[in-house]
Amino acid sequence: QVQLQESGPGLVKPSQTLSLTCTVSGGSISSGSYYWSWIRQPAGKGLEWIGRIYTSGSTNYNPSLKSRVTISVDTSKNQFSLKLSSVTAADTAVYYCASDPGHGSFDYWGQGTLVTVSS
Amino acid sequence: DVVMTQSPLSLPVTLGQPASISCRSSQSLVYSDGNTYLNWFQQRPGQSPRRLIYKVSNRDSGVPDRFSGSGSGTDFTLKISRVEAEDVGVYYCMQGTHLYSFGQGTKLEIK
Repeated sequence: QVQLQESGPGLVKPSQTLSLTCTVSGGSISSGSYYWSWIRQPAGKGLEWIGRIYTSGSTNYNPSLKSRVTISVDTSKNQFSLKLSSVTAADTAVYYCASDPGHGSFDYWGQGTLVTVSS
Repeated sequence: DVVMTQSPLSLPVTLGQPASISCRSSQSLVYSDGNTYLNWFQQRPGQSPRRLIYKVSNRDSGVPDRFSGSGSGTDFTLKISRVEAEDVGVYYCMQGTHLYSFGQGTKLEIK
């Protein structure tokens, strides 16, 4: 069974870049026709899709975040990563990574990691 | 952008009674391949979301058969035939036809 684990700093200063990594175990990130997504959830609020990367490296982003988001993949480490630039307090949230066999049918999720944006 | 609108946002239900959540999209969710990519997720308190249903009505393995999904085009429904205590949480619909977007979530609680 595939497992995903998010990692990265829990505190980021305003205007800096948030960087998170998702490590995939129980399967190869480059096998099969899978997308790998990032999703976030501010405290007490709903889910927001951030973006995805395909095994080929092609990406798609939420238009509302596109100018600040970069998602990349490192197949040698079985990891994919998120960078969100110019963060503000509004980016404080639990960030999840998830596997996606297509069309948003996220079948496996990480446990989530809280990132707080504060000076 | 496709906007997903759920109702109600809060759903108090008596144990053993049915529950129904509506999800409407601002555009048709029929994809060019003929499929409709509407998924439902459950998020129990303190947990990560879990997929319940994909492509409108396909229930995931391990999901009790009291959960069912239906709908077409822009109108979709998640039904729970008899609510149990373990069903407490927030339910999200999510479309995967025009990139991705989630509904606001419906919080199910026991009366």
